[in-house]
Amino acid sequence: EIVLTQSPATLSLSPGNRATLSCRASQSVSSYLAWYQQKPGQAPRLLIYDTSNRATGIPARFSGSGSGTDFTLTISSLEPEDFAVYYCQQRRDWPPYTFGQGTKLEIK
Amino acid sequence: EVQLAESGGVVVQPGGSLRLSCVASGFTFDDYGMHWVRQTPGKGLEWVSLISRDGGDSYYSSSVKGRFTISRDNSKNSLYLQMNSLRAEDSGLYSCARDFHNGAPWGYMDVWGKGTTVTVSS
Repeated sequence: EIVLTQSPATLSLSPGNRATLSCRASQSVSSYLAWYQQKPGQAPRLLIYDTSNRATGIPARFSGSGSGTDFTLTISSLEPEDFAVYYCQQRRDWPPYTFGQGTKLEIK
Repeated sequence: EVQLAESGGVVVQPGGSLRLSCVASGFTFDDYGMHWVRQTPGKGLEWVSLISRDGGDSYYSSSVKGRFTISRDNSKNSLYLQMNSLRAEDSGLYSCARDFHNGAPWGYMDVWGKGTTVTVSS
């Protein structure tokens, strides 16, 4: 089973800042990695699929990069609605599909 | 509007059984594979099961294989999860989710329900 490790666990930033979230896989997932955003009381929302492709309706300030075992989600300029928990997920080796433990992006 | 709505979550004793349901609306249900995902404070998001568009193929996490059964009724736009031999560690918020890809599943989830809570406790 592929283990995804996200860092940091919590990231404290201000609106307008640039956010960089990391996801590291225990073995290569090639480019088969997605990012989700989850706000309190809401279901996860797919942001990025296959490393760098934005899902429908996702603003351009969200971008993804990486390959193999190291991946990054970047939010270029934080908006107030971006403060949430972010999860990565792989589909390279399944079952099972696996998720990271999440990074909480909080307002500084 | 594309929507998924789960039901069936209750408090059940260890060793008991439960059937969760998920009703889909706003899209052509039998065009998509469907997933069950559970969430707990301790383990975060955990993928549970996937069923293909026609119900002919199903997949499970090792933690539920042999105890849970996923199924679907495309005539009713409905997805199910039969849960047997329940354990305390099966407690959590169970959500159904649509696979991202129209056709063969890709393994990402682009539409989620709000979830139904299962509590396994004596």
